[in-house]
Amino acid sequence: EAQVTQNPRYLITVTGKKLTVTCSQNMNHEYMSWYRQDPGLGLRQIYYSMNVEVTDKGDVPEGYKVSRKEKRNFPLILESPSPNQTSLYFCASRVSGGPTYEQYFGPGTRLTVT
Amino acid sequence: AQSVTQPDIHITVSEGASLELRCNYSYGATPYLFWYVQSPGQGLQLLLKYFSGDTLVQGIKGFEAEFKRSQSSFNLRKPSVHWSDAAEYFCAAGNSGGYQKVTFGIGTKLQVIP
Repeated sequence: EAQVTQNPRYLITVTGKKLTVTCSQNMNHEYMSWYRQDPGLGLRQIYYSMNVEVTDKGDVPEGYKVSRKEKRNFPLILESPSPNQTSLYFCASRVSGGPTYEQYFGPGTRLTVT
Repeated sequence: AQSVTQPDIHITVSEGASLELRCNYSYGATPYLFWYVQSPGQGLQLLLKYFSGDTLVQGIKGFEAEFKRSQSSFNLRKPSVHWSDAAEYFCAAGNSGGYQKVTFGIGTKLQVIP
């Protein structure tokens, strides 16, 4: 089954404790992206990757890091989480070549930073 | 700046009634346009998309949307709403240049009452 998986689905952590949210897709997609969803703000892009070893900032990259060492994986790293990073996070992937191609979203990771 | 506006944050309709969710965009050229649905606790699923051709596009689950260039709108419609349509709906727009960024609206939460 074609899918994007994220782990963990739920995470409660404390300020400053480094964490990683994993994202993996089995569709051989070149393009992957991370979004955060906050009430009243919709989805905002954090980082994206056009292919292996090619990443760039989205609209709200501060406080986040990513890496793309393999085509299927695109982990999101919070080196020193803060309460304002409490949010619902989505990973998405699609083939490259333009936004007309459908983005496939993971189920989301709900992060709480206390 | 590119933007997507969903003026209705919350809409309530009766089961069996018709539905129209509004979306307006602000882009330099004709963007690619999307509607996504997010059921509770789920990721986003693409309902339909428009990038050229017929301005009335059909999607999954009985939804359709009409692109109106003169009004910069891409409203989502369904003739008869089912209780299972209760969800949050996101309009999104993307451009063909650059890294093909997609901008999301803030979402419209649909409640369906018996």
